[in-house]
Amino acid sequence: GQQLNQSPQSMFIQEGEDVSMNCTSSSIFNTWLWYKQDPGEGPVLLIALYKAGELTSNGRLTAQFGITRKDSFLNISASIPSDVGIYFCAGHQNTGNQFYFGTGTSLTVIP
Amino acid sequence: KAGVTQTPRYLIKTRGQQVTLSCSPISGHRSVSWYQQTPGQGLQFLFEYFSETQRNKGNFPGRFSGRQFSNSRSEMNVSTLELGDSALYLCASSLAGGLDTQYFGPGTRLTVL
Repeated sequence: GQQLNQSPQSMFIQEGEDVSMNCTSSSIFNTWLWYKQDPGEGPVLLIALYKAGELTSNGRLTAQFGITRKDSFLNISASIPSDVGIYFCAGHQNTGNQFYFGTGTSLTVIP
Repeated sequence: KAGVTQTPRYLIKTRGQQVTLSCSPISGHRSVSWYQQTPGQGLQFLFEYFSETQRNKGNFPGRFSGRQFSNSRSEMNVSTLELGDSALYLCASSLAGGLDTQYFGPGTRLTVL
């Protein structure tokens, strides 16, 4: 299946700092989603992107759909302890008609 | 609106047994997809059901099967369990599949001893 590469794999940051993570692929995707997963729970949708170049915010979170349609990034501003978790990107292709998931970025926020 | 529910939340089985997991989608959602999540492999797509028909399938052996009922509830079955089947099994529902945003349930944690 398609591979979505997320980076960084893990991050340790101080509370209050901004965070940036991205997701890249060698293939074109027509939808990008960002999820957050807490331990033992299912992923929760944070932001959905449907159009190349689209920039969408959800509170302190901002995500962008790359112009090339091969990447997306997620920014978190002024991090707080409850931002801790694993963040996944997911992309949808018409070929295969399924969502492919990134490998995840583990975020730790130090109070 | 209630979210996606999965039962049971935790399950312990032994090798060779079979298991059935259940997923109830968000009301009005007709597509249910199943994923296997393991630390080493991340989220791997198993299959998608829409209107009681399997519409898409990932790269898993035939021991993994599923079905969907007329009320859109879905079940997943794994036969002849292997140690490597230990994982978090997630289901996600969407209105009609395809590009529609998927909403995940809390998952069923399966441990095979």
